[in-house]
Formats: sequence, structure tokens, C-alpha cells
Amino acid sequence: DAKTTQPPSMDCAEGRAANLPCNHSTISGNEYVYWYRQIHSQGPQYIIHGLKNNETNEMASLIITEDRKSSTLILPHATLRDTAVYYCIVRVNTGTASKLTFGTGTRLQVTL
Amino acid sequence: NAGVMQNPRHLVRRRGQEARLRCSPMKGHSHVYWYRQLPEEGLKFMVYLQKENIIDESGMPKERFSAEFPKEGPSILRIQQVVRGDSAAYFCASSPRTGVPSEQYFGPGTRLTVT
Repeated sequence: DAKTTQPPSMDCAEGRAANLPCNHSTISGNEYVYWYRQIHSQGPQYIIHGLKNNETNEMASLIITEDRKSSTLILPHATLRDTAVYYCIVRVNTGTASKLTFGTGTRLQVTL
Repeated sequence: NAGVMQNPRHLVRRRGQEARLRCSPMKGHSHVYWYRQLPEEGLKFMVYLQKENIIDESGMPKERFSAEFPKEGPSILRIQQVVRGDSAAYFCASSPRTGVPSEQYFGPGTRLTVT
């Protein structure tokens, strides 16, 4: 699986959009970009994933650059409950289920 | 639809004892994964199982650790002769059978403390 690079920490004011970047310059054509988060020692929570098109769900939006070498997770209106460690993970499409390889992630602190 | 369930949530063992951690996947999910998170560190993959089969155990320590996912009942992660370094949070995740890598749903974890 491709290696990812994320900033170790970010701050965001409540109500503002949180934009979390991820670099994955060695991504292959059949690898997906996944985002998970872990809120204070709870089990990780799936957020969103994509291959090459931008994706949006009720939690967030995922913007993937045209060359797929980087992506941005957007939380449109961050709240205090979004304070967590956010993990960007790239997984190969093997056609079967496979493990997740977690990096160090970005610690997002949402403040009043 | 109940989520992934893990028990116990907290487990205290003395050095040399055995620890048994249980994981019940979400209904309809046939893939189970175990991850370990040491204090102040990220999650590390341990083992991936389907019913009655170990698919990938590349992250399992070679000794004292074993995992199973029987035809009936929960998946079990077993640690024999625990040592202080085994103190960690152990998370289980499950995913459905699918043709592409699907999202994994995590349980609340079991916090093992070895005294």
C-alpha cells in the first residue's frame, strides 16, 4: 500500500471548515483513498473513501487531485465533537477485503 | 443493527496469566480484523480472519498470541502468559463480503492492563 504523509496537528475554529491534507504521491491506479478518525481512544470511525472522483457524504467531502497524488478531507462546519486524530489510508484494490495500515494521522483540535 | 461488540471492555491480568478478548462482528459481516494500539501510538494490524480461516496473520507476534473465528460464536484473540508489554487497547473490526475493499467498522476496544 502507498505511504501517506499528513501534518501532525491542526487547529480549527468551531463552525469553520476544517481542511485536512494528505499526500500520497506513490499511489497506484487501483488504490483507493480512505479516511478514518479516532476520537479520544474510541474505536476508529470510517468517514469516507474515493478512487479518483470527489466524494461527499453526510460527514465530509473528499477532494482528490487530478493526478491523485494528494487529497483533502473537508469537514464543512467543524464542531467540538470533531476533535480527533484523522487518518488518511491508501489501500490497494485486491478484489477482497484487506487490512488497514494506519500512519500517525493528523490531530485536529476544534476550538471555540 | 448492533455495531461491533467487544468484551470485556477492560481486562486486568497479572504477568503470566492468559487473556481472552472477544469480538462479535456486525450482523452479516464475515471478515474480522484485530488491531493493537500501544499507549500513545497508532493502531497496528495484527490478524485478519474469515469464518474458520486465518487469512493474514502478518502482524501477529510469533509467540503467545493466537486468534480464531469459529463457525459459531465470536472471534477470540488469546494471549498466553501475558507480559507488561502486552498492555494496550485491542480493537476488533468487521467488514462485509464484497468485491472491493470496503470500510471496516470498529468496536469500542478492550483495554488490557498487565500488572
